[in-house]
Amino acid sequence: QKEVEQNSGPLSVPEGAIASLNCTYSDRGSQSFFWYRQYSGKSPELIMFIYSNGDKEDGRFTAQLNKASQYVSLLIRDSQPSDSATYLCAVDGSLGGGATNKLIFGTGTLLAVQP
Amino acid sequence: GAVVSQHPSRVICKSGTSVKIECRSLDFQATTMFWYRQFPKQSLMLMATSNEGSKATYEQGVEKDKFLINHASLTLSTLTVTSAHPEDSSFYICRVSGGIYNEQFFGPGTRLTVL
Repeated sequence: QKEVEQNSGPLSVPEGAIASLNCTYSDRGSQSFFWYRQYSGKSPELIMFIYSNGDKEDGRFTAQLNKASQYVSLLIRDSQPSDSATYLCAVDGSLGGGATNKLIFGTGTLLAVQP
Repeated sequence: GAVVSQHPSRVICKSGTSVKIECRSLDFQATTMFWYRQFPKQSLMLMATSNEGSKATYEQGVEKDKFLINHASLTLSTLTVTSAHPEDSSFYICRVSGGIYNEQFFGPGTRLTVL
């Protein structure tokens, strides 16, 4: 069964620091990877997606993908209290990968940014 | 503005009743809709994949006769929880997929409480 693993946390970082969130996945054939942010009581919102090995930067966020190690991470620079939320890693569980379809979610990591 | 809507946002019902949840794609034709369920402090669990005009594909362990899905048009999918019980109390979220860029959006979710 395809699995996506995350440390549930909470991960506590001081304001202004770098928060590092990690995710591993079991299906070596997975090709699309996503990071979502979910505030309590709300539905997830997409932060970033990454398809290729290496780093992808978008503002304060950097996604890192290492397919050989089946590992994807999200770095948040200059963390703000408003970044406090649960961060969900998701992997495209569709056969053959490609277009985002059947996303398999990890359990999420709770991030707490201390002012 | 919102791209995906869900109705109702919150519902409380008595055990044994049926509840219908609507998911509407507001800005584009959604060829595929996904239904997720999220229990407190847990991740999103995919329940079923709904394609317009065809029968839904249910994930292992999800009872298709209990969770009825109808995707009658490219903008509307409904999830009906039949004979609801307290253990069905959860946060139900739809995700829509479609448009010329294969866009992906989550609905705002429906909080179901079964007494």
